[in-house]
Amino acid sequence: GNSVTQMEGPVTLSEEAFLTINCTYTATGYPSLFWYVQYPGEGLQLLLKATKADDKGSNKGFEATYRKETTSFHLEKGSVQVSDSAVYFCALSDRENNFNKFYFGSGTKLNVKP
Amino acid sequence: DAGVTQSPTHLIKTRGQQVTLRCSPKSGHDTVSWYQQALGQGPQFIFQYYEEEERQRGNFPDRFSGHQFPNYSSELNVNALLLGDSALYLCASSLGRGAWGYNEQFFGPGTRLTVL
Repeated sequence: GNSVTQMEGPVTLSEEAFLTINCTYTATGYPSLFWYVQYPGEGLQLLLKATKADDKGSNKGFEATYRKETTSFHLEKGSVQVSDSAVYFCALSDRENNFNKFYFGSGTKLNVKP
Repeated sequence: DAGVTQSPTHLIKTRGQQVTLRCSPKSGHDTVSWYQQALGQGPQFIFQYYEEEERQRGNFPDRFSGHQFPNYSSELNVNALLLGDSALYLCASSLGRGAWGYNEQFFGPGTRLTVL
């Protein structure tokens, strides 16, 4: 079946530190991969996406590369800011019965201190 | 362009009651999916509606039901509420019959349901 596993949080970093949040997946088909971010009291916002192997998604300084050989989609940012504090969700979308179905990881909370 | 909207924002119910949550999809989207997000957890897929029919369902009991209207808006109904139903309920919209590959989902802000 399909599933997503993320590293547990919280992750606490100082401003300008390097960020990595690990995400691995299992899939029966050829999924697309996503990172969503959730700020306190809000819904999920799409951060970046990749639709096929070796694609790199990027947005707002965040990057993630679709690695089929290691079934991974790790999120990275070179220099985090206090405003990046949020919960990050890795997700995959696979085609089932002609519809795209999404599977989410449990989320990783990021705390960035000034 | 309005994004996904949900109502109400917050709701408090007691055990055994019934609740209806509402969702309007992003303009141009025809598919609505519902998720339950318990505190500290990722969203869990409840079901998905397209062309006014339930197309996919997650591992949720029949107490959870839904409806999609001709204008693509949707309702989530939960009967016989349990304490464990307390969660943030998220609605997401997308294009259902898109090309093979991904169809990006856009999420609403959610409805916070508290069952006492």
